[in-house]
Amino acid sequence: QQQVKQSPQSLIVQKGGISIINCAYENTAFDYFPWYQQFPGKGPALLIAIRPDVSEKKEGRFTISFNKSAKQFSLHIMDSQPGDSATYFCAARRASGSRLTFGEGTQLTVNP
Amino acid sequence: GAVVSQHPSWVICKSGTSVKIECRSLDFQATTMFWYRQFPKQSLMLMATSNEGSKATYEQGVEKDKFLINHASLTLSTLTVTSAHPEDSSFYICSAERLAEAFFGQGTRLTVV
Repeated sequence: QQQVKQSPQSLIVQKGGISIINCAYENTAFDYFPWYQQFPGKGPALLIAIRPDVSEKKEGRFTISFNKSAKQFSLHIMDSQPGDSATYFCAARRASGSRLTFGEGTQLTVNP
Repeated sequence: GAVVSQHPSWVICKSGTSVKIECRSLDFQATTMFWYRQFPKQSLMLMATSNEGSKATYEQGVEKDKFLINHASLTLSTLTVTSAHPEDSSFYICSAERLAEAFFGQGTRLTVV
């Protein structure tokens, strides 16, 4: 019930293309769904997060789509750039102050 | 700018010695902080939940006597790896919440030789 499944494991996109990473969760008590970007040797950086009362949130080139009935959420990176090449993690959490459950991560490579 | 600061960024220590890693929340109070361990090309693995003024809660399989956690103030939690061995070499990361958003430190690369 605590699992978050993330796919794909790796993704290669051409510069200017759209990168899409998907996550599925089981626990309906989750109410906070963040995405993190991690570069080698660095801690995860909060990219964008959504709560289940909205179906979509956009910040710049990054968009989260959220489907509560399907228990799925996804990250879309528009106009992908080589600088976006990193590992992306989805996560989910119940109430504030509780632990995050992470997906397995997606290694994104954006070719010039 | 950084919300959670972790120090040091990297450390090399000899087998049998102890090393302390600090995690600070910047400009906000964090009653709860989390400590993670990350192996290469893997996801983050929660080690323990650090609670200000009380004992940490450790995840199953994490040795509390090896990984000592002290959350002595509302802005500082420390993780001490005691009697370190090469298998403790890893990337350690802390996190704290500000305004219900979870932020992470820069991580500490520990190498035990």
